[in-house]
Amino acid sequence: NAGVTQTPKFRVLKTGQSMTLLCAQDMNHEYMYWYRQDPGMGLRLIHYSVGEGTTAKGEVPDGYNVSRLKKQNFLLGLESAAPSQTSVYFCASSYQVEGGQPQHFGDGTRLSIL
Amino acid sequence: GQNIDQPTEMTATEGAIVQINCTYQTSGFNGLFWYQQHAGEAPTFLSYNVLDGLEEKGRFSSFLSRSKGYSYLLLKELQMKDSASYLCAVRDSNYQLIWGAGTKLIIKP
Repeated sequence: NAGVTQTPKFRVLKTGQSMTLLCAQDMNHEYMYWYRQDPGMGLRLIHYSVGEGTTAKGEVPDGYNVSRLKKQNFLLGLESAAPSQTSVYFCASSYQVEGGQPQHFGDGTRLSIL
Repeated sequence: GQNIDQPTEMTATEGAIVQINCTYQTSGFNGLFWYQQHAGEAPTFLSYNVLDGLEEKGRFSSFLSRSKGYSYLLLKELQMKDSASYLCAVRDSNYQLIWGAGTKLIIKP
C-alpha cells in the first residue's frame, strides 16, 4: 500500500529558483492538502483541494501555487523561492472532512533555500 | 485567533504512564485528533474525539472535555518506541485542522 507519495524527498534551491513538489495518493481520496512544518510551530495549511480541478487557499498561501488536474495528484509550486520558504512540506489526503476520517500524510519533502 | 497549546517536551520512564495535555481555543469545534510523529517521519493518526469522555485504543487513550477546551492523550506501559512527538489538532468550524506545535516525548530506560 503506497498511500501518499511525495517527490522529491530532499531539495536545495537558490533564492529565486522555481520548483514543483509532487504529491500522489492511491486511496481515491477527494480531499488533498499541503502543509509546511517549521520548528516550534504547528503544521500550517498552505493550500488544499476538495476535488479534482479545485483548489483553495489555506493559512499561509503567499508565494505558493497549486494544481489538481487529476484526482490522485496535487502539485505545489514555488515560482521564486525565498529563504523563508525553507521548511519541511507535507502532503496529506482524506476521504472526507467530517467524522473520524483522519488525514493521511506523505513522508515529507525537506526543502532548503539558500 | 485560534490557538492550540501543548507542553513542548516531556520525559517519562519505560513501563510507566504519561499524560500529554492539549488545550484549545478555536472558532468552532468539529472534533479533535491526536497524531504521533517520529523524528524525520510523517505524522500518523492515533485517535479521534468528538464527544466528551474517554476513547481507549490499546495502550493509548484520549480524553475530551469540550466545555473546558481540553484534551489529553494517555500512554500506558511506555516502550522505547513511543519516543516521538505527539500532535494535537482541532477541526474548526470551516472543517480545517488547527495544529498544536507538538509535545516531544522522551522515554528513558
